[in-house]
Amino acid sequence: GQNIDQPTEMTATEGAIVQINCTYQTSGFNGLFWYQQHAGEAPTFLSYNVLDGLEEKGRFSSFLSRSKGYSYLLLKELQMKDSASYLCAAMDSNYQLIWGAGTKLIIKP
Amino acid sequence: IAGITQAPTSQILAAGRRMTLRCTQDMRHNAMYWYRQDLGLGLRLIHYSNTAGTTGKGEVPDGYSVSRANTDDFPLTLASAVPSQTSVYFCASSSGTGGTEAFFGQGTRLTVV
Repeated sequence: GQNIDQPTEMTATEGAIVQINCTYQTSGFNGLFWYQQHAGEAPTFLSYNVLDGLEEKGRFSSFLSRSKGYSYLLLKELQMKDSASYLCAAMDSNYQLIWGAGTKLIIKP
Repeated sequence: IAGITQAPTSQILAAGRRMTLRCTQDMRHNAMYWYRQDLGLGLRLIHYSNTAGTTGKGEVPDGYSVSRANTDDFPLTLASAVPSQTSVYFCASSSGTGGTEAFFGQGTRLTVV
């Protein structure tokens, strides 16, 4: 079956760095997406990885290892506004997104 | 402002009633999707459309139907609502089926009583 695993909740301190991990099992693979979702709002796109390696975009970076079925989202210089849920989604061979349940990130001052 | 719009934003519905959730996008995206989001679960795909005139079933299609008469609109219909359909519904669109980001509407919070 197809499955995405990510931690349910994480806590970090303002100004620090946090890494949110995601493992996936899909029928075929066409890339890994990360989305941010603030409470009561719609998900918004953060990053897309299809090749192994690290993609950096400002304070956010995303890493992919296709051989390990593993990705992580790295958030640096955490700000209070980064408190949100982070959704990992893998695209399967039919170009459908398989979503994880999301990781709720709590930022403390 | 370009984007994707859902209506209504919230609704309380009696069980057994018929309900259509509306979704309109003005980005000329080919692909559109309907998801439901429940606490503790990931987004689950209900139905999708890769292009106007075609639709497909997702992971949880039972009890729902869709149509795609044109590029912009993708309504979702609950023929006879049941309490297990209480959820937040998100419509999304993307320009293609490959590694392109999906844009989401603001969601419809539906409560079936």
